[in-house]
Amino acid sequence: DAGVTQSPTHLIKTRGQQVTLRCSPKSGHDTVSWYQQALGQGPQFIFQYYEEEERQRGNFPDRFSGHQFPNYSSELNVNALLLGDSALYLCASSLDSQGDQPQHFGDGTRLSIL
Amino acid sequence: GQNIDQPTEMTATEGAIVQINCTYQTSGFNGLFWYQQHAGEAPTFLSYNVLDGLEEKGRFSSFLSRSKGYSYLLLKELQMKDSASYLCAGGLYTDKLIFGTGTRLQVFP
Repeated sequence: DAGVTQSPTHLIKTRGQQVTLRCSPKSGHDTVSWYQQALGQGPQFIFQYYEEEERQRGNFPDRFSGHQFPNYSSELNVNALLLGDSALYLCASSLDSQGDQPQHFGDGTRLSIL
Repeated sequence: GQNIDQPTEMTATEGAIVQINCTYQTSGFNGLFWYQQHAGEAPTFLSYNVLDGLEEKGRFSSFLSRSKGYSYLLLKELQMKDSASYLCAGGLYTDKLIFGTGTRLQVFP
């Protein structure tokens, strides 16, 4: 039973570029959440997708957008990259719940902006 | 507002017991979660509490008191491989996780 998978593992971009990160949820999960984790900090919630729609969003600018496909996989897109976007981007999947079910994380994509 | 506080760093000795505390001030939390994160890796789910009380899972136990906004993670029989960051996270009714900054635990021989 595959867990959450993310691609790519590492990515290097320059300021102003655009990036797309991908995530496949754990089998049986229907909800995908994206988090940004800066060095030495806890993960920060970006947004969550359920039934192919963005259900809720954290305090991130519109440069961050996403998509969920019918097979529940998801993409995170970031436009006009800034140096401060350098971080570990984590995808987490879960069963739709009311905050009482654990989210399972992928290994993350480490994004470096030069 | 929503806020989670936990100590930044802790140290302990191999074979000992350590308790990592977490306090939270928030409305809308339905569950309190603990994750382990080794350097450079993704968080791994350890345990969660929805009801008040103690949940035991092998060498790890987690406790929750909703009325006090307080939780702790108890690690017994510490091993060197337990050196990691431990993240306390609140699960909102909206299924969003709010994380603390994490407690970096170093286990010494």
